Amino acid sequence: DSGVTQTPKHLITATGQRVTLRCSPRSGDLSVYWYQQSLDQGLQFLIQYYNGEERAKGNILERFSAQQFPDLHSELNLSSLELGDSALYFCASSRQIGGPNTGELFFGEGSRLTVL
Amino acid sequence: GESVGLHLPTLSVQEGDNSIINCAYSNSASDYFIWYKQESGKGPQFIIDIRSNMDKRQGQRVTVLLNKTVKHLSLQIAATQPGDSAVYFCAEPLSGTYKYIFGTGTRLKVLA
Repeated sequence: DSGVTQTPKHLITATGQRVTLRCSPRSGDLSVYWYQQSLDQGLQFLIQYYNGEERAKGNILERFSAQQFPDLHSELNLSSLELGDSALYFCASSRQIGGPNTGELFFGEGSRLTVL
Repeated sequence: GESVGLHLPTLSVQEGDNSIINCAYSNSASDYFIWYKQESGKGPQFIIDIRSNMDKRQGQRVTVLLNKTVKHLSLQIAATQPGDSAVYFCAEPLSGTYKYIFGTGTRLKVLA
């Protein structure tokens, strides 16, 4: 158990809909990362927050947004869903002590999104 | 359940043999690397890391080697066990950023 909690574990929805994925980082971790893992693209970095502020952005679609709340949990919002958004969405957290290039990421079990 | 791309390189190893998984990186300024293991249906799990001021780092049954000259990283697993079957990723944070980039991944199959 990594200590990172993601909900829901599975989600099935229709095209055009909107969903929210939630992540609770490990106790004491200030950084939260979101990754998308689909069959044909591997692990793709979406976005990172540190103590409530956006720190890095990857190839995140405009239809997607995220935020980190004062209690450090994070939500990833996916809207106007398309079939191609079906994937595993992982949240990871880290302490980020000593700068950006230190420390491992602790991953949650992921949220599997299926868009029909 | 499935967790990674359809065209993953696959390494098949006999149980008890040593495994070597390779990773190439492109940014010569990268100064920190991590190896992750992802079992089917689970999130990636940290195995070992190495900084660019080191050539080698050993953990329990795993060793990471870093060759900065050719920008190559390898993960060696000693006495491979069935529980080592998974997809292995190398990852690096882009220099000066918090953005971790993951390699394509290698699927390790342990044959009994």
